Amino acid sequence: GAVVSQHPSWVICKSGTSVKIECRSLDFQATTMFWYRQFPKQSLMLMATSNEGSKATYEQGVEKDKFLINHASLTLSTLTVTSAHPEDSSFYICSARKSNSGRGGAEQYFGPGTRLTVT
Amino acid sequence: AQSVTQPDIHITVSEGASLELRCNYSYGATPYLFWYVQSPGQGLQLLLKYFSGDTLVQGIKGFEAEFKRSQSSFNLRKPSVHWSDAAEYFCAVVGTNAGKSTFGDGTTLTVKP
Repeated sequence: GAVVSQHPSWVICKSGTSVKIECRSLDFQATTMFWYRQFPKQSLMLMATSNEGSKATYEQGVEKDKFLINHASLTLSTLTVTSAHPEDSSFYICSARKSNSGRGGAEQYFGPGTRLTVT
Repeated sequence: AQSVTQPDIHITVSEGASLELRCNYSYGATPYLFWYVQSPGQGLQLLLKYFSGDTLVQGIKGFEAEFKRSQSSFNLRKPSVHWSDAAEYFCAVVGTNAGKSTFGDGTTLTVKP
């Protein structure tokens, strides 16, 4: 298998607070994880690429200080939305790529997503 | 830069009818190509992938896709659609060197009884 979990699956927070979302690869090691954001009825937008033991690479237009990413181990990456505001409400999806998988490393395994609602 | 176009925003088919979802990509070489399905509020499930070799790829749930280099296309097909196939479908391309995925805007499939 290649299972990726996310926690929590659903979170409501008040405006101005911070919320942390975890992404775990349960049965494989993942040197690289990706964080996406998806608005209703829209496609996935890559926010950042997370590499174990190094700083994340953010896509253009994504605020690094607002969306903090930590990839502390080969099985865990976290996304912290700091000082959340209603416009940060969205569906956040992570994916993980197996370490040392050669061409097959092009394949990503997706988590089930986290629904964030900021009130 | 790589890009993916899914020309059909919404497709409606009758249950039992055949289905084809279109996907066109732009990339300097032959990329890795994927089709995913997403049910409401859920993550993405991989239907099939193309890396190289046989241009007709079989996937799960009776889906197949054909890679056509001359047309830069990777269309998804199913001979007989089931009501449970109603969902959002995404085509994605991964460059062979950069490794990042680029997704199309998706096609919403509605299945009529």
